[in-house]
Amino acid sequence: EAGVTQFPSHSVIEKGQTVTLRCDPISGHDNLYWYRRVMGKEIKFLLHFVKESKQDESGMPNNRFLAERTGGTYSTLKVQPAELEDSGVYFCASSQVGDYGYTFGSGTRLTVV
Amino acid sequence: ELKVEQNPLFLSMQEGKNYTIYCNYSTTSDRLYWYRQDPGKSLESLFVLLSNGAVKQEGRLMASLDTKARLSTLHITAAVHDLSATYFCAVDPPGESQGNLIFGKGTKLSVKP
Repeated sequence: EAGVTQFPSHSVIEKGQTVTLRCDPISGHDNLYWYRRVMGKEIKFLLHFVKESKQDESGMPNNRFLAERTGGTYSTLKVQPAELEDSGVYFCASSQVGDYGYTFGSGTRLTVV
Repeated sequence: ELKVEQNPLFLSMQEGKNYTIYCNYSTTSDRLYWYRQDPGKSLESLFVLLSNGAVKQEGRLMASLDTKARLSTLHITAAVHDLSATYFCAVDPPGESQGNLIFGKGTKLSVKP
């Protein structure tokens, strides 16, 4: 089966611009998660979707970040306007309901200059 | 607040040697995960440990969990160059909300001939 797919793999944008990251989970996985790793820091949870509903968005850093999952399939994470401290690697993961295994994508490396 | 500490953060090993990576966490949890990441790649699931005393082995890697001590170990036996990667442990906080994984900072392992 196809894994979790993220694109773009890399994005370089200027401060103040908007960037949209996309995640395609494994087909049939209702749970979708976004994580972020800022340089030198731990991988940190951002939010969790169950189908199209936000189950937990406690990790979202501020209102410049907007996540959506229309139709309960793929998800997008928009950063608007981007700031320098938003640079890092954004990971997406998915899982089946009731399953303790999480499958991660290869991440999107975002650089804000 | 649940915290996860890994040590060491950097590990340079000779091929053929044994070593252990430690993962301590600060609050009760019965679900602990080990992941491997190669540069630019996804987080690959290595082990899912779901109960006290759980021990799992795959090839040269063995993971164990002691929930009373809040400690997991990842033991490397007779290291080979292919094991060079960054290893993360992650803990699922107690309660119904799953997927809000708390990660350690990762251990960057370099195995030299």
